[in-house]
Amino acid sequence: GQNIDQPTEMTATEGAIVQINCTYQTSGFNGLFWYQQHAGEAPTFLSYNVLDGLEEKGRFSSFLSRSKGYSYLLLKELQMKDSASYLCAVSSGAGSYQLTFGKGTKLSVIP
Amino acid sequence: GAGVSQSPRYKVAKRGQDVALRCDPISGHVSLFWYQQALGQGPEFLTYFQNEAQLDKSGLPSDRFFAERPEGSVSTLKIQRTQQEDSAVYLCASSPDGLTDTQYFGPGTRLTVL
Repeated sequence: GQNIDQPTEMTATEGAIVQINCTYQTSGFNGLFWYQQHAGEAPTFLSYNVLDGLEEKGRFSSFLSRSKGYSYLLLKELQMKDSASYLCAVSSGAGSYQLTFGKGTKLSVIP
Repeated sequence: GAGVSQSPRYKVAKRGQDVALRCDPISGHVSLFWYQQALGQGPEFLTYFQNEAQLDKSGLPSDRFFAERPEGSVSTLKIQRTQQEDSAVYLCASSPDGLTDTQYFGPGTRLTVL
């Protein structure tokens, strides 16, 4: 089966750095995605990793270790608008390239 | 350019009613996905289309759920004889190809069954 785990909630201070971890066990692997979802809105794409290592994109970075089934999303210089749910999703590559999502990590940024 | 759009944004149905949810994907996108998102959970896959062909419907929870994309662009998700457990946000996503391409999500339809 498919299993993706990430913390349910996290709190961090404005201006700080936060790391959101994700571990996965899937029958196949064709890439890992991070999405941001504000309450009542659509998930929006943040990053994609298919090879091991760190992908940096502005204030956001994502890391992948395929051998460990592990990824993290790093958010730097936190802003209040970063308060949202962060979804880790794996494309298992089997058949339809559907995404299997974790339950999401609700991040609260406080002043 | 325009993103994925969905309508209606909100739908309230009485138990037993049929509902139809519409998705307009990004123009030219080959692949279209439907997901169901319960409150406080991540989206769960329902079904996948490549152009007009429904290639995977393994996530549809019962035969009351039916999806179509007859001309390879707009898609409709239909739920017959709605039940309270169908209450959720229904998300549509499209991607240019589907082969590890990023999926772009619409705002979703929040369905509440009373």
